[in-house]
Amino acid sequence: GQQVMQIPQYQHVQEGEDFTTYCNSSTTLSNIQWYKQRPGGHPVFLIQLVKSGEVKKQKRLTFQFGEAKKNSSLHITATQTTDVGTYFCAGPAQGGKLIFGQGTELSVKP
Amino acid sequence: EADIYQTPRYLVIGTGKKITLECSQTMGHDKMYWYQQDPGMELHLIHYSYGVNSTEKGDLSSESTVSRIRTEHFPLTLESARPSHTSQYLCASSRGTTGSAYEQYFGPGTRLTVT
Repeated sequence: GQQVMQIPQYQHVQEGEDFTTYCNSSTTLSNIQWYKQRPGGHPVFLIQLVKSGEVKKQKRLTFQFGEAKKNSSLHITATQTTDVGTYFCAGPAQGGKLIFGQGTELSVKP
Repeated sequence: EADIYQTPRYLVIGTGKKITLECSQTMGHDKMYWYQQDPGMELHLIHYSYGVNSTEKGDLSSESTVSRIRTEHFPLTLESARPSHTSQYLCASSRGTTGSAYEQYFGPGTRLTVT
């Protein structure tokens, strides 16, 4: 069946270092969504990418959607302690559901 | 933040008890979902609904049941709780029709512990 894979599972960085998480789908996606879940919290929608090759920025966060619409990445420049959490990508599945990746847990050492 | 609520936030209950986890949203969304998530782990879809009187089983087998009598309300029931049900249960909703996959808004979750 359809799968969405995310790597790495964990990333530990020093504050100020950059961070990237990658998302790969087994099928072509009509869109890709990104969510952030703070420790002890619930997932919060960050952004949706729709177009092939699309790049969107939110302050220090840069999101990319691959040309083949099967992969995506989230890059954080100069991480801060407020960036701590788990980042999930999600792609549409049959019936209008979302398939979530396993998530990348980011920890930031001050 | 979206207007989606879950009660209780925390629940500790003994084995064999029947429990109902409540979820309500005030956004008028037709689509609602229940996910199960262990700490720091991936989200597993256990039930979803396209609208009133519509319920579907998700990708993860679950011994729970759901109902959708009103658009805003999507309760989840465990007839007989077991320690293996210990987890966090997240409710979510989204706009759109059956085949569309718009962004989902999550409630704060219910952390369930079955002793």
